[in-house]
Amino acid sequence: NAGVTQTPKFQVLKTGQSMTLQCAQDMNHNSMYWYRQDPGMGLRLIYYSASEGTTDKGEVPNGYNVSRLNKREFSLRLESAAPSQTSVYFCASRRDGGSYGYTFGSGTRLTVV
Amino acid sequence: QKEVEQNSGPLSVPEGAIASLNCTYSDRGSQSFFWYRQYSGKSPELIMFIYSNGDKEDGRFTAQLNKASQYVSLLIRDSQPSDSATYLCAVANAGNNRKLIWGLGTSLAVNP
Repeated sequence: NAGVTQTPKFQVLKTGQSMTLQCAQDMNHNSMYWYRQDPGMGLRLIYYSASEGTTDKGEVPNGYNVSRLNKREFSLRLESAAPSQTSVYFCASRRDGGSYGYTFGSGTRLTVV
Repeated sequence: QKEVEQNSGPLSVPEGAIASLNCTYSDRGSQSFFWYRQYSGKSPELIMFIYSNGDKEDGRFTAQLNKASQYVSLLIRDSQPSDSATYLCAVANAGNNRKLIWGLGTSLAVNP
């Protein structure tokens, strides 16, 4: 019963490097989300996907791209990392319907130096 | 003005007391309300959901919703040190219930 799996758990990048954060869920959820969480800023939505093949921008999409590879997987790519992207990143998924909350992955702690 | 507001705390209560956490929201059309608990260094986990006015109880947790006053609260009875965490309030707006609007969270410390 894995739920939402994120990889990697920790990453250090140099400014300008690129990387992809992976997320997979095994709950057959349609909606998937990428958030970043910074002290004092709370959870901020980067991108979300309401279904396979669709993606939409959230509050803070600049500097990121996403791919909804299939129903299970939703990846987040940083093309040219910047120190401002140092954060904890959470992937989440949600079952359709107003009464369901998100299930979160364990997070990726990213540091850009 | 942020759409979902919570006192940042820290809220400090003695073990065995009732902890009361509050959340106000600005969109009158909001339909669904969630409480998440987040331990330090961990991801948020859903602990309560409510959508009707009144109280909803689950073990030591009670969620209270008052749509007329636009607030939702979480009561934790018989607080334990293991309840020490940040509690996040999240609201689903009527226009798009796929995206939750998050408060910044209230830090709770339960002292033995």
